[in-house]
Amino acid sequence: GENVEQHPSTLSVQEGDSAVIKCTYSDSASNYFPWYKQELGKRPQLIIDIRSNVGEKKDQRIAVTLNKTAKHFSLHITETQPEDSAVYFCAARTSYDKVIFGPGTSLSVIP
Amino acid sequence: DADVTQTPRNRITKTGKRIMLECSQTKGHDRMYWYRQDPGLGLRLIYYSFDVKDINKGEISDGYSVSRQAQAKFSLSLESAIPNQTALYFCATSEGQGTPGANVLTFGAGSRLTVL
Repeated sequence: GENVEQHPSTLSVQEGDSAVIKCTYSDSASNYFPWYKQELGKRPQLIIDIRSNVGEKKDQRIAVTLNKTAKHFSLHITETQPEDSAVYFCAARTSYDKVIFGPGTSLSVIP
Repeated sequence: DADVTQTPRNRITKTGKRIMLECSQTKGHDRMYWYRQDPGLGLRLIYYSFDVKDINKGEISDGYSVSRQAQAKFSLSLESAIPNQTALYFCATSEGQGTPGANVLTFGAGSRLTVL
C-alpha cells in the first residue's frame, strides 16, 4: 500500500550547523511532496514543497531535493537556529489525490 | 481571518460513548480532511472529502464515520469510543482539483481526545 518513511526520528544539531531529513515513498505515481513544520503545541504548517518535474527547490535557509528514480526526497536546513526546533513531517500526494505523511522527525537545535 | 475551526479543543470521555468532533472553515476550500496524530506515527488520514457528495476512506477509517454537512463543515464521529482512539485529531482543508493549492493543507488547531 501507500507508505512514506522518514529518517531520523530524532535529530540534534548545534546552532549554525546543517540538518538533513530523508524520506522515501512507495507510490511511484506520487508527484507532489510537501514538508510541514509543527512547533510544540501548534498545528502543522507548510514550509516548502516540490513537484515531480523539479529536482531541487530552495527558500532561504531551507531546500528540498527529489530523486524520482530512487523514490526519495530530502529536506535540508542550513545555518540552523533555535527557532528551527520542531517536528518536521514529509508527505507525498498519492495516485488517489490524498496526502500521506511520514512519521515525523523531532529536530532540536542546541544554542 | 479565514480559518479552520475545530470543536471541542479538548474532550475526555469513557469507553463506549459516542463522540463527535466538528470542523468548520471560512477559507472557501472544497476539500476537507481528518487526520489523527499519535507520537511516533505522524499524521494518519482517517477520511477525506473532495466535495459535499464525495467522501473517501483514508488509511485508518475503522471505528470512525464522517459527515459533510456543507462545503464548510466536516464532522468526525466515534460511534463507540475505545481507549486506543485517544489521540490528537486534526481537521484540514485544501483548494479543489486543478488549482495550485489542491494539495496544500491548512490545519485546524486540533482536538485532543482522551478515552478512559
